[in-house]
Amino acid sequence: AQSVTQPDIHITVSEGASLELRCNYSYGATPYLFWYVQSPGQGLQLLLKYFSGDTLVQGIKGFEAEFKRSQSSFNLRKPSVHWSDAAEYFCAVAEYSGGGADGLTFGKGTHLIIQP
Amino acid sequence: DAGVIQSPRHEVTEMGQEVTLRCKPISGHNSLFWYRQTMMRGLELLIYFNNNVPIDDSGMPEDRFSAKMPNASFSTLKIQPSEPRDSAVYFCASSVQGPLGYTFGSGTRLTVV
Repeated sequence: AQSVTQPDIHITVSEGASLELRCNYSYGATPYLFWYVQSPGQGLQLLLKYFSGDTLVQGIKGFEAEFKRSQSSFNLRKPSVHWSDAAEYFCAVAEYSGGGADGLTFGKGTHLIIQP
Repeated sequence: DAGVIQSPRHEVTEMGQEVTLRCKPISGHNSLFWYRQTMMRGLELLIYFNNNVPIDDSGMPEDRFSAKMPNASFSTLKIQPSEPRDSAVYFCASSVQGPLGYTFGSGTRLTVV
């Protein structure tokens, strides 16, 4: 069964500092990997996704993520955070059987706090 | 494109009552998913449909939960009878082309008192 681990429940970063959120997955085949962001009381917004090809993926809002198969990781990074980046971040993995999309398996999330 | 539309946004009901949550997927999307989000368990997949057919309902917690998708533009998640532990945010998502594009609705916050 698929599983996703986000080892950091909370992370505090100063505004302007760099950010890295960790994500490890357990999956038998090549996974489809995603990062979503959720602001309080809001839905989930897709930041970026990886299926194949270049292992460094660029997303919206200046975020990027790197797929490392050897480490089963898909860490999210941003060179300089803004106060508006404060939110909950979710890593997710999916399987696609060809007949249609299977559901996403989410990590527990990392709560990002931005210090002024 | 109006996105995935869920209704109601908020629902407060008494224990034992029937609750129906509604979802309108993005036109042209052939997969629809229902998720539940709680503090304790995070985001859990309850059930999903491909081409209006239920594919996997193993995430449905109990027989009190049921979901239908009578056509490509509408799905319901019903809880009967509701219990306080069902209180959560329920998200609907739709997708086309496999995992390339999951789009989530804004969610329904359910409170059972």
